Amino acid sequence: TQLLEQSPQFLSIQEGENLTVYCNSSSVFSSLQWYRQEPGEGPVLLVTVVTGGEVKKLKRLTFQFGDARKDSSLHITAAQPGDTGLYLCAGAWAGNMLTFGGGTRLMVKP
Amino acid sequence: NAGVMQNPRHLVRRRGQEARLRCSPMKGHSHVYWYRQLPEEGLKFMVYLQKENIIDESGMPKERFSAEFPKEGPSILRIQQVVRGDSAAYFCASSHLKSGGLLYEQYFGPGTRLTVT
Repeated sequence: TQLLEQSPQFLSIQEGENLTVYCNSSSVFSSLQWYRQEPGEGPVLLVTVVTGGEVKKLKRLTFQFGDARKDSSLHITAAQPGDTGLYLCAGAWAGNMLTFGGGTRLMVKP
Repeated sequence: NAGVMQNPRHLVRRRGQEARLRCSPMKGHSHVYWYRQLPEEGLKFMVYLQKENIIDESGMPKERFSAEFPKEGPSILRIQQVVRGDSAAYFCASSHLKSGGLLYEQYFGPGTRLTVT
């Protein structure tokens, strides 16, 4: 059984601060996706990374895939209250099903 | 809006009743996935279907749960004789046809929140 560990579980910061969320596994992913989920809604896809060492940017969000494709990080610069939400990483190994990490619940205070 | 549709959004059932959850994939998507999210937990894979075929049901409980994706109409997740432990949010996702061994991105619906009283 492949496991995805996500850290930290909870993060409460002030507006303007930077933060990083980590997603780690002992297995190699074929691809990894990051989602954001608002209360009462489904996860919304932010990015997919496939190649080891890949870096993708989405405005103030930077996603990195480890060289060995076993880990990934999400870095948010100058966080804003609108970034508040649950961030989920999900890895694909064999087949098409995703294995999700436990999520990072982010709160950005104004 | 051509996104993944799920209904109902909220469903209340008494213990022992049946729950039917429906999912219409995004237009052009032929792969459907069902996930369950318990309160304060991550999403857990249940089943992966293509039209008229169950591809992987390794995450589905052996009893009381079944899923189908008929040639016409939405995918259905059916839970018979519900118990309180079935209370959760059930999410459906869909993707394009898999090609070259790579996973295509999955897009999620808004979920059905099942409450068993």
